[in-house]
Amino acid sequence: GQNIDQPTEMTATEGAIVQINCTYQTSGFNGLFWYQQHAGEAPTFLSYNVLDGLEEKGRFSSFLSRSKGYSYLLLKELQMKDSASYLCAVRDRRTGNTPLVFGKGTRLSVIA
Amino acid sequence: ETGVTQSPTHLIKTRGQQVTLRCSSQSGHNTVSWYQQALGQGPQFIFQYYREEENGRGNFPPRFSGLQFPNYSSELNVNALELDDSALYLCASSLDGGKSPLHFGNGTRLTVT
Repeated sequence: GQNIDQPTEMTATEGAIVQINCTYQTSGFNGLFWYQQHAGEAPTFLSYNVLDGLEEKGRFSSFLSRSKGYSYLLLKELQMKDSASYLCAVRDRRTGNTPLVFGKGTRLSVIA
Repeated sequence: ETGVTQSPTHLIKTRGQQVTLRCSSQSGHNTVSWYQQALGQGPQFIFQYYREEENGRGNFPPRFSGLQFPNYSSELNVNALELDDSALYLCASSLDGGKSPLHFGNGTRLTVT
């Protein structure tokens, strides 16, 4: 099966940069996703990495190292509205139906 | 483009009862997945439907069942409700059997008393 670990909570200051780490163990890796989830709302798609390296999308970037089973989500110029849970999810190649396996999420609090 | 919609938004049931949750997938999406999210946890995969057939199932008992209709909308049925079934139930749609990113609905908050 899969095992996905990410920190439970993080706090950062408005305007700063924060890095949320995710480590995973899977038998057949086939992509890693980051989702943002505000309290009481649906998760929304942020980024997708399947090859090693950095994917940049505005203030958000995501990095993947397949050999290390490691990813991070980088949030720049933090805004109060970035306070949310950030979910790391892995797709396992072994399963043909490709469901996503999610970590427990990292609750980010942005303070003034 | 219409997003994923779920109904109802909130539901309170008694232990032992049965419940049906509904989901309309995003326009053009042929794959629907259902996830259970307990408070403070990440979503847990229940099952997935692709072109009206179940093509993947997580570690949930048979009393969790589902359907997908020709218009790709879906239902999640839970029989013999237990207190631990209290959670947010998320429906997600995608293209091509789930190979593309998932688009989630706002979920149904189920409380079992």
